[in-house]
Amino acid sequence: LAKTTQPISMDSYEGQEVNITCSHNNIATNDYITWYQQFPSQGPRFIIQGYKTKVTNEVASLFIPADRKSSTLSLPRVSLSDTAVYYCLVGDKGRGSTLGRLYFGRGTQLTVWP
Amino acid sequence: GAVVSQHPSWVICKSGTSVKIECRSLDFQATTMFWYRQFPKQSLMLMATSNEGSKATYEQGVEKDKFLINHASLTLSTLTVTSAHPEDSSFYICSAGRRSEAFFGQGTRLTVV
Repeated sequence: LAKTTQPISMDSYEGQEVNITCSHNNIATNDYITWYQQFPSQGPRFIIQGYKTKVTNEVASLFIPADRKSSTLSLPRVSLSDTAVYYCLVGDKGRGSTLGRLYFGRGTQLTVWP
Repeated sequence: GAVVSQHPSWVICKSGTSVKIECRSLDFQATTMFWYRQFPKQSLMLMATSNEGSKATYEQGVEKDKFLINHASLTLSTLTVTSAHPEDSSFYICSAGRRSEAFFGQGTRLTVV
C-alpha cells in the first residue's frame, strides 16, 4: 500500500478556500485516492475519491496531477463546522469485500477560526 | 445513503470484565466488516476483518483471543473485548463497504476502570 504524507495541521478562517495536499510517491497504477473527514468521537466520513485529473462533488474538489504522486483536496469557503481531521488514503478501489480495509495515516487537523 | 450503526456509543466497564460492541449495516448486507481502534490524538488502526460465516482475519499484533469477532449474519458483526484492562480503553469503529464506498459506524468509546 502506498504511504501518504500530509501536513499535521492547518489553520484557516471562515469563508476561505482551503487546500490540503497529500504526497503519495509510490502510488500504484491501480490505486485510487480517497479523502475522509473525521470529527471528534465520530467515525470517518467519505468526502471524495479520484483517480486522475479533477473530481468535484457538492462538498469538495480533488486535484490530481498527471504523475499522480500527489493530490490536493480543496474545500471552498470553509466554515467553523469544517474543523476536523482529514485523511488521505491511497489504495486499490477494491470490491465490496475489501472496501473498508483501509490503512489510515496521521491525517491533517484543520482548524477553522471565525 | 448506506448506514452503519454501532451500539453502544459508549461503555464503561470494570477491569477484568468483557464488553461486546455491535456493528450493524442498516440498509444493506455486508459479507465483510472491519474493526478499527483509535487512541486519543492518533489515527485509526485496522484491527481485523470480520467475515460472515467464517473466522475473522486479524492484523499483525492484534490478539485474536483478546478481541473476539463474530459475524453471524449479513448485517451484524460483534467485537468482544475479553478481560478488559485500562489499556484497552479506546475508541472502536467498525466499517462496511458497499459499491465504491466504505461506510463507518459512529464509534464506541470504551473506558475500562
